[in-house]
Amino acid sequence: KAGVTQTPRYLIKTRGQQVTLSCSPISGHRSVSWYQQTPGQGLQFLFEYFSETQRNKGNFPGRFSGRQFSNSRSEMNVSTLELGDSALYLCASSLGTSGSNQETQYFGPGTRLLVL
Amino acid sequence: AQSVTQLGSHVSVSEGALVLLRCNYSSSVPPYLFWYVQYPNQGLQLLLKYTSAATLVKGINGFEAEFKKSETSFHLTKPSAHMSDAAEYFCAVSDPGGYQKVTFGTGTKLQVIP
Repeated sequence: KAGVTQTPRYLIKTRGQQVTLSCSPISGHRSVSWYQQTPGQGLQFLFEYFSETQRNKGNFPGRFSGRQFSNSRSEMNVSTLELGDSALYLCASSLGTSGSNQETQYFGPGTRLLVL
Repeated sequence: AQSVTQLGSHVSVSEGALVLLRCNYSSSVPPYLFWYVQYPNQGLQLLLKYTSAATLVKGINGFEAEFKKSETSFHLTKPSAHMSDAAEYFCAVSDPGGYQKVTFGTGTKLQVIP
């Protein structure tokens, strides 16, 4: 069974540009969560999608958005990039059974974004 | 609001020695607690989780953790460190009522000395 895949693995952008990151969950998983990891702020929850709906959201500005497709694949978009957006962006998938927070999240290897 | 505090950003142990990584949580409701491991240039892997069943939780790779409500702690232990255990470890907490919204600690880098 294939794991969570994220593309691209590395990305370099300049300030003001926008970027789209992609996450393909484990087959059968319907929940996809996104996290930002930086040396200064650590791991921070961005948002979670389940069945194409955003179910939960962290404390990030509106420049950070996401969506989920009918096949559970998810994309994350960051507009008007700032230097501080340089980070490792991790995606995690789980079954997403409604009402359950006990499920194990499986993480992808991440996309490392560098903003110059 | 829920949070976790990991004591010690860096811990060094000798190969074969006890590994003890400390985590204290703060939560207004009985929490779910997790330990994750991250190897360089990789994503996170779940080591173990506490979801209000047994207070002593056994995970992968010989790790275990004990939920102590009186101490609000969830420390991670392994009896004998192996070189392959060198990695960064994250404690995390989630609200049982929240869908997959997990709050992570700042991480502890474990160094294993041969």
